[in-house]
Amino acid sequence: TQLLEQSPQFLSIQEGENLTVYCNSSSVFSSLQWYRQEPGEGPVLLVTVVTGGEVKKLKRLTFQFGDARKDSSLHITAAQPGDTGLYLCAVSSGSARQLTFGSGTQLTVLP
Amino acid sequence: EAGVAQSPRYKIIEKRQSVAFWCNPISGHATLYWYQQILGQGPKLLIQFQNNGVVDDSQLPKDRFSAERLKGVDSTLKIQPAKLEDSAVYLCASSLDRVTDTQYFGPGTRLTVL
Repeated sequence: TQLLEQSPQFLSIQEGENLTVYCNSSSVFSSLQWYRQEPGEGPVLLVTVVTGGEVKKLKRLTFQFGDARKDSSLHITAAQPGDTGLYLCAVSSGSARQLTFGSGTQLTVLP
Repeated sequence: EAGVAQSPRYKIIEKRQSVAFWCNPISGHATLYWYQQILGQGPKLLIQFQNNGVVDDSQLPKDRFSAERLKGVDSTLKIQPAKLEDSAVYLCASSLDRVTDTQYFGPGTRLTVL
């Protein structure tokens, strides 16, 4: 069983459309991170959410942490081809604060 | 500021051969991580160093994988002998310290085992 379940696994949309991807778990987390990974590159941190119900905005990206701190969503408004990539959620745990990643949502935005 | 450097970027070997990957973290970063990312999955932590000491290697297949960070800066990850299932991208990341949490990733080495 995966600690973090991400959905959908794949998403292909047209430029200008809106979309939401999800990261769910049965566990409670003190914080959750979202990364974007482009082909041939490593993941890049987009945001960290720490408070239940928290909403953070990064230009056209809106991140929300669930009230119970078990799940999170990422909403993209008016998607652009430059948003194409693998979106990963991750949580840190343990004394060494190891990161555990979900399996990701592969987003393709078509021009 | 220079990012995390990794080499080689690509490597193709046959099963049972050996391979080594190199990582140079961001200057001043005490914590270094090696991850394995199999196609269609998120990265999985293999080993974490704090300076030149191992913090966590619980998910490292120690019968064939080894890693070192002798002087607390650069690190190498070795696979000997390689298996088909080792085909993956090997990512190196570093952070200022393990409490800060923000990890910066290198571009990875794509390994194909034939």
